[in-house]
Amino acid sequence: DGGITQSPKYLFRKEGQNVTLSCEQNLNHDAMYWYRQDPGQGLRLIYYSQIVNDFQKGDIAEGYSVSREKKESFPLTVTSAQKNPTAFYLCASSPRLAGPPTDTQYFGPGTRLTVL
Amino acid sequence: QKEVEQNSGPLSVPEGAIASLNCTYSDRGSQSFFWYRQYSGKSPELIMFIYSNGDKEDGRFTAQLNKASQYVSLLIRDSQPSDSATYLCAVDNYGQNFVFGPGTRLSVLP
Repeated sequence: DGGITQSPKYLFRKEGQNVTLSCEQNLNHDAMYWYRQDPGQGLRLIYYSQIVNDFQKGDIAEGYSVSREKKESFPLTVTSAQKNPTAFYLCASSPRLAGPPTDTQYFGPGTRLTVL
Repeated sequence: QKEVEQNSGPLSVPEGAIASLNCTYSDRGSQSFFWYRQYSGKSPELIMFIYSNGDKEDGRFTAQLNKASQYVSLLIRDSQPSDSATYLCAVDNYGQNFVFGPGTRLSVLP
């Protein structure tokens, strides 16, 4: 089955701890994205990546870090510097960054992070 | 900073009626527009995309684009209770990423 997987589905962390969210895709997509969604709100872009070993900050990158060592993997680390990390985190991928107008983004199931 | 605006709702329509969801965007140069549906607690799923002025139909869904007025809409015909969800409008940002609106919550009443 082709798709995007995110793990874990639910994650709890104590204040001051770093935590890493996993995102894997087997769609052979070049571009991958991380979004944050707060209750009743839209999606806000954290980071995105077009190719291995390259990534760009989105609108709310502060307190987050990413890596892209493999095409299929794009993990997100929520650091202790992120002041309000409790949210629903969504990973997405698309065939190519700057691809044709019809290139769309496909989403993983999400990880719900709660800071205790 | 690009902006995408949607009425947050909730928009309530009776079963069988037409639901009309609207989205406006700030960047006149935007080319591609996407509608996603998101059920509570789930991830967004693509309904359809549009990039030419006019209407695009897919089953019960019709997307309408008017670039001169900078709005895109989604019509859902014969609305069903299973259509109750939040609908997100997304605008392509020059092929770099998407800018999402806040979403409109739709409630279809049996």
